[in-house]
Amino acid sequence: QVQLVESGGGVVQPGMSLRLSCAASGFLFKEYGMHWVRQAPGKGLEWVAIIWYDGSNKYHAESVKGRFTISRDNSKNTVYLQMNSLRVEDTAVYYCVRGYYANSPPFDYWGKGTLVTVSS
Amino acid sequence: DVVMTQSPLSLPVTLGQPASISCRSSQSLVHSDGTTYLNWFHQRPGQSPRRLIYKVSNRDSGVPDRFSGSGSGTDFTLKISRVEAEDVGVYYCMQGTHWPPWTFGQGTKVEIK
Repeated sequence: QVQLVESGGGVVQPGMSLRLSCAASGFLFKEYGMHWVRQAPGKGLEWVAIIWYDGSNKYHAESVKGRFTISRDNSKNTVYLQMNSLRVEDTAVYYCVRGYYANSPPFDYWGKGTLVTVSS
Repeated sequence: DVVMTQSPLSLPVTLGQPASISCRSSQSLVHSDGTTYLNWFHQRPGQSPRRLIYKVSNRDSGVPDRFSGSGSGTDFTLKISRVEAEDVGVYYCMQGTHWPPWTFGQGTKVEIK
């Protein structure tokens, strides 16, 4: 069965960095695009970033552009989110979400999420 | 960016009664390929979101048939024919036509009266 397991969250001070990981299993990871979506405490969902199946294209939300970078390692079935210059407003649960492949509509599988807290 | 607006934001419902959530987009969600990429998600308290509906009206595997999606252009609706206790939580619409970014509605909280 499809599994997405996020890790790497924690408590950091403003201005610091963190790298999130998402380990995928149960499907042909190298064929799928992958997204990160976040949810601030008590708030709604916000799309953060996408990476193409082969890493050839990446897009980031304006709110994180220049600070966050999505990447992947298909040999490890893992997608990453490098978060630099963290701000208090980046505090959220970060979800790894399966993206598009062939005729498989995206956003069908979500991980349980990892909590990032940015606080002084 | 496409703005997604849901209403109502809070929906108290009676068990066994129908419920309806509206989602409007700031521009048409019809893609140049003719497909409308509008999804609905359900998030129970303390859980990750789960996709219920994709491309306006296609139910995901395992989603009860009391859930249905409809609409076109800029106006979309999620209907629950008879609300059950397990349906509580927050429902989100999301567009995947004009990206990036992919954008979500604010969420509609469904609770039992």
